[in-house]
Amino acid sequence: QKEVEQNSGPLSVPEGAIASLNCTYSDRGSQSFFWYRQYSGKSPELIMFIYSNGDKEDGRFTAQLNKASQYVSLLIRDSQPSDSATYLCAPSRDDKIIFGKGTRLHILP
Amino acid sequence: NAGVTQTPKFRILKIGQSMTLQCTQDMNHNYMYWYRQDPGMGLKLIYYSVGAGITDKGEVPNGYNVSRSTTEDFPLRLELAAPSQTSVYFCASMEDSENQPQHFGDGTRLSIL
Repeated sequence: QKEVEQNSGPLSVPEGAIASLNCTYSDRGSQSFFWYRQYSGKSPELIMFIYSNGDKEDGRFTAQLNKASQYVSLLIRDSQPSDSATYLCAPSRDDKIIFGKGTRLHILP
Repeated sequence: NAGVTQTPKFRILKIGQSMTLQCTQDMNHNYMYWYRQDPGMGLKLIYYSVGAGITDKGEVPNGYNVSRSTTEDFPLRLELAAPSQTSVYFCASMEDSENQPQHFGDGTRLSIL
């Protein structure tokens, strides 16, 4: 079982719609969960993080965490062409963060 | 405030050559990390450090060495470059508190020919 699993995509979403990105993880000791966005040829940049069960909203982004199901998701509302990128799910435990391979998101104009 | 700075941005090496990838951060973070990212793949941890004088292996340390003599600097050394080490290398730092994210440098694109 992979430590962090994400659908590699590409996930194509019309502009203005909601993009839903999913992630499962295997380490039940994971404490915090980060979502990074990575444009092609660039370094990862933090979008948001969550560490408690439930939802956390930040602008157009909502992170959802269900520790019992070992599942974390990222919703992007009112998707924009600039949201087209690879999104990396990254659970952390103590001093290490494990990155998933990422989901490629393509927003259709 | 420059954050995490990596040099060089690009480099081409011949098989068997050696080089050092530089990484420095000005945020006084104790935790620093080196990752490699192959095309279409996720980030794989090479080495990390939780403070000056302390380093530890990640999941893909073979062929690499690191040192951490100061809080600011965490260089990564390739002793005998091999084609399998062609990749993009990212350095990151993190504050040693709960629920802190990693901050990344811009990366070094390395080709071994």
